[in-house]
Amino acid sequence: AQKVTQAQTEISVVEKEDVTLDCVYETRDTTYYLFWYKQPPSGELVFLIRRNSFDEQNEISGRYSWNFQKSTSSFNFTITASQVVDSAVYFCALTFGNQGGKLIFGQGTELSVKP
Amino acid sequence: NAGVTQTPKFRVLKTGQSMTLLCAQDMNHEYMYWYRQDPGMGLRLIHYSVGEGTTAKGEVPDGYNVSRLKKQNFLLGLESAAPSQTSVYFCASSYSIGGKGKNIQYFGAGTRLSVL
Repeated sequence: AQKVTQAQTEISVVEKEDVTLDCVYETRDTTYYLFWYKQPPSGELVFLIRRNSFDEQNEISGRYSWNFQKSTSSFNFTITASQVVDSAVYFCALTFGNQGGKLIFGQGTELSVKP
Repeated sequence: NAGVTQTPKFRVLKTGQSMTLLCAQDMNHEYMYWYRQDPGMGLRLIHYSVGEGTTAKGEVPDGYNVSRLKKQNFLLGLESAAPSQTSVYFCASSYSIGGKGKNIQYFGAGTRLSVL
């Protein structure tokens, strides 16, 4: 079965703290893609990153970094020095090479960054 | 820079009424999708289309129909709305699988639907 689990339903931090959002996936496919999307209070879904199953390099983009580990089927997302504008719901998602691009989403993690 | 546009943004229906949600994309994407978002459940795929004139069922297709008569448009229909269809509906589009960055899905702003 293909599945994405985001065990953290809600996280609350104080501004400038670092925070890690967990994502664990299940799949038997060897070719797959993992994504993170951000949904701010305004409601739209914003693409953050895509990683394919053959590329285990970690990635850093400004205050955002992603750690992909096939050995633990995890694709965790860390925000360094969090800011109030980071407050949003974050979704991890999975798709496969032969599934018409359909995304399987996790339940989402609601991050609240307090000043 | 329109991207993916959904209309309407909000709608209230009575049980049994019908309506159509329209999704339009201007990125020449082959693939289009309709998802629904419910609290605590993430987004779930309703129907999708891999090209003009083709549609397929997703995870939760019951009670919905779709059509893709033009490449840029993907319509989601509710023939007889039920309270269980109260949700936020998102449309997305992408290029076909393969190639760098080609299967990234870009989303519309969503349609908030209430069925009373």
